[in-house]
Amino acid sequence: DAMVIQNPRYQVTQFGKPVTLSCSQTLNHNVMYWYQQKSSQAPKLLFHYYDKDFNNEADTPDNFQSRRPNTSFCFLDIRSPGLGDAAMYLCATSPRFGYTDTQYFGPGTRLTVL
Amino acid sequence: TQLLEQSPQFLSIQEGENLTVYCNSSSVFSSLQWYRQEPGEGPVLLVTVVTGGEVKKLKRLTFQFGDARKDSSLHITAAQPGDTGLYLCAGVAGGTSYGKLTFGQGTILTVHP
Repeated sequence: DAMVIQNPRYQVTQFGKPVTLSCSQTLNHNVMYWYQQKSSQAPKLLFHYYDKDFNNEADTPDNFQSRRPNTSFCFLDIRSPGLGDAAMYLCATSPRFGYTDTQYFGPGTRLTVL
Repeated sequence: TQLLEQSPQFLSIQEGENLTVYCNSSSVFSSLQWYRQEPGEGPVLLVTVVTGGEVKKLKRLTFQFGDARKDSSLHITAAQPGDTGLYLCAGVAGGTSYGKLTFGQGTILTVHP
């Protein structure tokens, strides 16, 4: 089945130790998104790629970076995680960047910062 | 910045009861989407409404988009424990935000057997 896969599902890191979260998709969608979701809150968009074009949200901290080496894969790099970065990180994809396009979410990676 | 206010934030009801979740904004949205999210999983799309006044039904769930496309509601009839989860509304503004979702705060629904 076509899907959005996130690895790992659970990630534990130490304060200040870089961490990379991975997302892959078999949907062949042009757009990939990264969201941060804190406990029982709405997802907050960090950035998105339309093909190779990177779009950063204005309030996304510089600590967060992303890479999309090809259509299928997208990575979220947190350079120096702080305690406030502990959250669920959701990857999503959509065929295009249109107002009726469905976003397909992965299961998320739960990040714990010690 | 366009905001979506979702209410109530928490809803705890008994099986068989009806409920309505509201999503309101002072801004116009090109479309409004409703998602359901279970613990430890990503959100799953329930419905997209596009036209002002549009009503869509999905089994026991009824979704309505306001005439002015600034608000939406989700009504569940005869709620069941399987309906338990986080319900999120999300709007797409259009223009330079074409395709970008703005989420409401979410409603945590618990249906007790």
